[in-house]
Amino acid sequence: QSALTQPASVSGSPGQSITISCTGSSSDVGANYHVSWYQQHPGEALKLIVFDVNSRPSGVSNRFSGSKSGNTASLTISGLQAEDEADYYCKAFTGITTAYVFGTGTRVSVL
Amino acid sequence: QVQLVQSGPEVKKPGASVKFSCKASGYTFTTYYTHWVRHAPGQGLEWMGFVNPRGGTKGSADDFQDRVTLTWDTPTRTVYMQVTSLTPEDTAVYYCAREGMPGDKYFDLWGRGTLLTVSS
Repeated sequence: QSALTQPASVSGSPGQSITISCTGSSSDVGANYHVSWYQQHPGEALKLIVFDVNSRPSGVSNRFSGSKSGNTASLTISGLQAEDEADYYCKAFTGITTAYVFGTGTRVSVL
Repeated sequence: QVQLVQSGPEVKKPGASVKFSCKASGYTFTTYYTHWVRHAPGQGLEWMGFVNPRGGTKGSADDFQDRVTLTWDTPTRTVYMQVTSLTPEDTAVYYCAREGMPGDKYFDLWGRGTLLTVSS
């Protein structure tokens, strides 16, 4: 099972919107709605920010939104803030023995 | 406090084994699946396996089935993962994570990770 493809880095200015793509296949991203996104600040635990393609856990800012089209999922961060500078990972459920596959990760920089 | 507390860093030689622990607190341990994920330097995250303490089931990714043993101890609310036949390529941070609810397919709580260094 190959890792999902994400851009290595994305940057934006405060207040702007950025979008991170996550490209897989019909066996993972395209197979179901179980795509989730995680944020990781240096030295901290990963944090769930989007689940089931476009749902947000309680307490997560509505500046984070998810979507999916075919085999590509996307995470959009609107109104970019300095605190959004972190690494972001997508994850998809495959339903086979190797049940989950992650993205390669994207580092978001706020200029 | 709802949290997963992982064991401390490990340094091992090639060919050795390592056993990680992940202690849950603040929630009903048996209700949730616990997963293991690793992050090797310069690589993406990699799912390794899961345990279901209530149902008594577990499973691991194809790449690890021969080298990973997943266990748990309900009284101490602790999940363990043993990895054998270590190579330098196993150098990584190993995380445990809780699945939201069985069937949710997302991980809503993560440990801070355990660094494993494999070097001769």
